[in-house]
This record gives sequence, structure tokens and C-alpha cells, in this order.
Amino acid sequence: EMVMTQSPATLSVSPGERATLSCRASQSVSSNLAWYQQKPGQPPRLLIYGASTRATGIPARFSGSGSGTEFTLTISSLQSEDFAVYYCQQYNNWPPRTFGQGTKVEI
Amino acid sequence: EVQLVQSGAEVKKPGESLKISCKGSGYSFTTYWIGWVRQMPGKGLEWMGIIYPGDSDTRYSPSFQGQVTISADKSINTAYLQWSSLKASDTAIYYCARNRIQGATEQPFDSWGQGTLVTVSS
Repeated sequence: EMVMTQSPATLSVSPGERATLSCRASQSVSSNLAWYQQKPGQPPRLLIYGASTRATGIPARFSGSGSGTEFTLTISSLQSEDFAVYYCQQYNNWPPRTFGQGTKVEI
Repeated sequence: EVQLVQSGAEVKKPGESLKISCKGSGYSFTTYWIGWVRQMPGKGLEWMGIIYPGDSDTRYSPSFQGQVTISADKSINTAYLQWSSLKASDTAIYYCARNRIQGATEQPFDSWGQGTLVTVSS
């Protein structure tokens, strides 16, 4: 079964700084990789699909890159509303469409 | 506007059965895959399975195969997740979510329900 590994588990940053989150797949998922943001008490929200395409309504400060087994989510200048948990998910080899364990972005 | 509205919180005892629901609106319910995702308290997201309401084609994660049943009633635009015998370890929030593209299988979820909290305790 596919394993998705995110790093770091927790990222401490200040507003206005750049945040870089990583996601590694145990085997190639091509570009079938999504990123989600989840805030406390809310369902996840799709940020990025196809490894690098922003979902509808997602600000340009969010960008995704990578293919195969190595992926990155970059938040160019953190806003207060960006402090949340971020999950990657592969949807190439399924079932299941595995999620990573999450990266918490905190102040 | 696409909406997925889930049924309300449940409190059950171990061994009891349960069926929770997810009603879709604002789109063609039968032509988008709908999946279920578990989130245990303070933990991450786990993909459970998915159904295509048009023909009830259903796929399960090996971790959840045999533990739950996913179904759909296309006449009322509703998907379901059910248990025949709950365990304390089933305590979690369960989300339904819709695939991004009509008919496509290799897609992320772009619309999510609000979540249903299931608490199993004696």
C-alpha cells in the first residue's frame, strides 16, 4: 500500500514568512497529488490538485510543485488565516487514496 | 452551489448498528464519485472508500473493507456509511466528499460535507 510521508510534522513560522511543506510518496504517483488545508472544527479544503494547479478561489500565495515521489507546497507569505494543518493526498494508485499524516503550520 | 449536507451527531453503544447520511445538491448526484473520510480525535485523515451513485460501483480501502458498508440512493441524492456492530474505536468524525470532476476516478475531493461526529461509548 502506498505510504505518503509529510515533513516536518510541525512548522513554526511568523506572518509574512515563507513556508515550505514536503510530501514524499513511497512509489510514483505521477502528478496525481493534492494538498488540503484543514482548520479546527472545519472540513478539509482543497488547495492544489494535479500537484501544481490551484483549486477555485485559492490565493496565488499557495503554490505546489513536484512529480513522481517528491512534492512541495509553498506558501509565499503567510497570512494569519493560513495557520492550519495541511495534508497531501495521492489519487494515482487506489484504493486507497492515501493521505499524508499532516503538517501543522503554527506561529 | 454544490452542497453536501451530512446527518447529525450520533452517540451509540458498542455493538449497536448505525447508518449516517450525506445528501448532495446543486449538481448531478449520479455522475460524481462520493467518498468517505475518517478523522479520529486529534488525528489525521483516513480515506475509507468511495461510491459512484450512478451504478453503485463501490471501492473500499483495505483497512475498512468488511468493517463498513458504503451505499447510495440516487432517487434522493444521498450517500450512506453504515456499521453493523460499532466499536469504541469507531469514535471519529466522518466526512463525505465529492470528486472534483464528473465521472472521473483519479481525482481529489473538491467539496466536503460538514462532518458527522460518531461517539461510541458504553
